[in-house]
Amino acid sequence: GALVYQYPRRTICKSGTSMRMECQAVGFQATSVAWYRQSPQKTFELIALSTVNSAIKYEQNFTQEKFPISHPNLSFSSMTVLNAYLEDRGLYLCGARLGLSAETLYFGSGTRLTVL
Amino acid sequence: GDSVTQTEGQVALSEEDFLTIHCNYSASGYPTLFWYVQYPGEGPQLLFRASRDKEKGSSRGFEATYDKGTTSFHLRKASVQESDSAVYYCALSDPGGNNKLTFGQGTVLSVIP
Repeated sequence: GALVYQYPRRTICKSGTSMRMECQAVGFQATSVAWYRQSPQKTFELIALSTVNSAIKYEQNFTQEKFPISHPNLSFSSMTVLNAYLEDRGLYLCGARLGLSAETLYFGSGTRLTVL
Repeated sequence: GDSVTQTEGQVALSEEDFLTIHCNYSASGYPTLFWYVQYPGEGPQLLFRASRDKEKGSSRGFEATYDKGTTSFHLRKASVQESDSAVYYCALSDPGGNNKLTFGQGTVLSVIP
């Protein structure tokens, strides 16, 4: 079945520093990758959608300058949280689609970010 | 914009009870509807999906029927088990909206043995 791995599972960073998280699709080609943040209150916010051969589309309130994303091939994506502060804490989830027209997102276990 | 509303924030049941979690949606197009389940420390896992009016999705004893008339996709299970304790999310994907997945607020299900 479709598997999505995210690492690290947990990370702690000091306020004002940056951290990078990675997302690996195993057993399928991730033509589309969506990065979400799940707040401590459990709500989901879409950060950006990255589709192969297309520009990365960021949602309102999220910018490339703050959350740069790389999607160099069909099995790997990474996102960095730059200059992290308390409000950036949460569970960062990577969801991948199997094909360009596919609608189902398969999620990894997430990277939990704690900011001190 | 698109939205998903789950009526119940928390549900507490005993084993073998009947479960209903209400989900209503609002979308401009003809969305695909999903139920995801999230266990502690994990990302959301797809339970099932439905793409057409009157289509029933089902998995592991859970089921929901796409109802375009009432814009609903209520989750039901006839007899819950302790292992079903988790957070359940209703979601929609609107093809006209770049297939963006919009989640409901989630329902915490606690099943007491």
